[in-house]
Amino acid sequence: GENVEQHPSTLSVQEGDSAVIKCTYSDSASNYFPWYKQELGKRPQLIIDIRSNVGEKKDQRIAVTLNKTAKHFSLHITETQPEDSAVYFCAARGGFQKLVFGTGTRLLVSP
Amino acid sequence: ETGVTQTPRHLVMGMTNKKSLKCEQHLGHNAMYWYKQSAKKPLELMFVYSLEERVENNSVPSRFSPECPNSSHLFLHLHTLQPEDSALYLCASSPQGNTEAFFGQGTRLTVV
Repeated sequence: GENVEQHPSTLSVQEGDSAVIKCTYSDSASNYFPWYKQELGKRPQLIIDIRSNVGEKKDQRIAVTLNKTAKHFSLHITETQPEDSAVYFCAARGGFQKLVFGTGTRLLVSP
Repeated sequence: ETGVTQTPRHLVMGMTNKKSLKCEQHLGHNAMYWYKQSAKKPLELMFVYSLEERVENNSVPSRFSPECPNSSHLFLHLHTLQPEDSALYLCASSPQGNTEAFFGQGTRLTVV
């Protein structure tokens, strides 16, 4: 079955810096890759996603890149702000709607 | 508010009790999921239902028993749980295909 690995587990940056979180997946049939943000005490919420027919997608300060050959995808956050502090999860969806998540990255943005 | 509602929000149960968690969505989604969230495994997939059929049972112990009576409702029946089963249980739903999954707010379960 699908296995998703995520690094780093924690990331501390200064406000205004960029943050990059990387994920790898194992199932070459996976074709949908969402990223979720979970603030303390709240449910995970989608921030950006990418499908396998696209290599890069951007939405304001966040961007995601996908390398299908290498089976890895990354989240890039530019000009980080304290409110970006949260846990970020990558995920991959393959057959039978199975949506498997990575182990999460705790991002801390210091003012 | 995502349109996915879980009840109860909090549950404390003894190891010999039987209880059920409920998840409800009226978004027209036909895939539903149970996840377990703990410090050890942040978002662990337990079960997937697609079009009311279970398509994934991720090696979950039999003391957890899912039920999907229709496309809008998903249950997780619990019995003879262990203290290590204490966690946040999250339900999610999505349309078919490669689109966003929406999460409920979760049920915080404590097994004593």
